[in-house]
Amino acid sequence: ETGVTQTPRHLVMGMTNKKSLKCEQHLGHNAMYWYKQSAKKPLELMFVYSLEERVENNSVPSRFSPECPNSSHLFLHLHTLQPEDSALYLCASSQGPDPGRETQYFGPGTRLLVL
Amino acid sequence: AQTVTQSQPEMSVQEAETVTLSCTYDTSESDYYLFWYKQPPSRQMILVIRQEAYKQQNATENRFSVNFQKAAKSFSLKISDSQLGDAAMYFCAYRSPNTGGFKTIFGAGTRLFVKA
Repeated sequence: ETGVTQTPRHLVMGMTNKKSLKCEQHLGHNAMYWYKQSAKKPLELMFVYSLEERVENNSVPSRFSPECPNSSHLFLHLHTLQPEDSALYLCASSQGPDPGRETQYFGPGTRLLVL
Repeated sequence: AQTVTQSQPEMSVQEAETVTLSCTYDTSESDYYLFWYKQPPSRQMILVIRQEAYKQQNATENRFSVNFQKAAKSFSLKISDSQLGDAAMYFCAYRSPNTGGFKTIFGAGTRLFVKA
């Protein structure tokens, strides 16, 4: 369970706060993903980076801002969130050269509560 | 667009018995990959089993096996000799290299309870 790590594991923030979620993968992968997991809903893909370039942006509100400084690290910057943004945010990675055939490896997630 | 449907929000099984979780999907692609992921309470989502659509043989991993029916677009997961540690949310997922290879389509999940 240490291949993909996420910090913090839990976060409570007010709607006017700015915070960042961090993901790090130790698998030598080239693709990284942010997902939102809400209760009783399928996982929603938010962003995908491949070789540090954003390749998917799934109509996510601008109050979520991703950053991928290198292939091992992925951030999700949060600002002026809404209560409906409360969810589990999952990071994942995959090998990268042929993503459609690859298994994704997930981090433990950050449980976010917006008050 | 591809869809993945898990029609059982919850399932329950007695320890040591067998349980089957259902998954159906819709696609027009011929080349794709199917996955079952397990998410224990407050723990990491991990891969249980993976099936390549071009393979007719059903994938197996120890006590976990799938029944892959390509024509019916069905991909069920069978857990044999259920253990307490199998209690988790199980997600069926679809991935294709042809239609946005980075996108994985997930089902809504099935929560499995294991009774001692």
